[in-house]
Amino acid sequence: QEQLVQSGAEVKEPGASVKLSCTASGYTFTSYYIHLIRQAPGRGLEWMGVLHSSGGSTRSAPKFQGRLIITRDTSAGTAYMELRRLTSDDTAIYYCARGNTYMDVWGKGTTITVSS
Amino acid sequence: EVVLTQSPATLSVSPGERATLSCRANQSVSIYLAWYQQKPGQAPRLLIYGTFTRATGIPARFSGSQSGTEFTLTISGLQSDDFAVYYCQQYYSWPRTFGEGTKVEVK
Repeated sequence: QEQLVQSGAEVKEPGASVKLSCTASGYTFTSYYIHLIRQAPGRGLEWMGVLHSSGGSTRSAPKFQGRLIITRDTSAGTAYMELRRLTSDDTAIYYCARGNTYMDVWGKGTTITVSS
Repeated sequence: EVVLTQSPATLSVSPGERATLSCRANQSVSIYLAWYQQKPGQAPRLLIYGTFTRATGIPARFSGSQSGTEFTLTISGLQSDDFAVYYCQQYYSWPRTFGEGTKVEVK
């Protein structure tokens, strides 16, 4: 079964960084892009960035450029997303999703809470 | 950046009736538009891609259409399992963008 398994919830203080993981199983990791999407409490979906799993290149939405770092370990079939300089506005559920175009497989999400 | 505007924000529909959800793009996205369904506490699920094509396992009561830059998701004969929030998303250009969502609730 094709799936993405995400790391567990985290609580961070303002100004800190968080790194979450997204591990692919049931398919070839390098065949698909991995996207990062977040959803603040009671809000809609916000696309943050994407990893080209094969070549390693990345793109980020303008508001996250310089703050979002996406890397990968192809041998582990895992993408890593690091978000720096956290504020309370970064409190959200972070989803990874597979897709070279549309997003057809989603992880269950990682809850990130930013609080002092 | 492509802005997607969904309407209405909330749609109240009785079971068995038809629901019509709209997603308008501020520029052309060709046919590169997808729809997702999200239920409380769950990740989104792909329903429709390429404007018209149902994803694997999606029942035929879900259909997508397009007129220019206006896209429509129609749910015919709403079932209890269909009450959820629906998002459109374009994959024509970067950055990828989502609409704000339409909540389909029981009337």
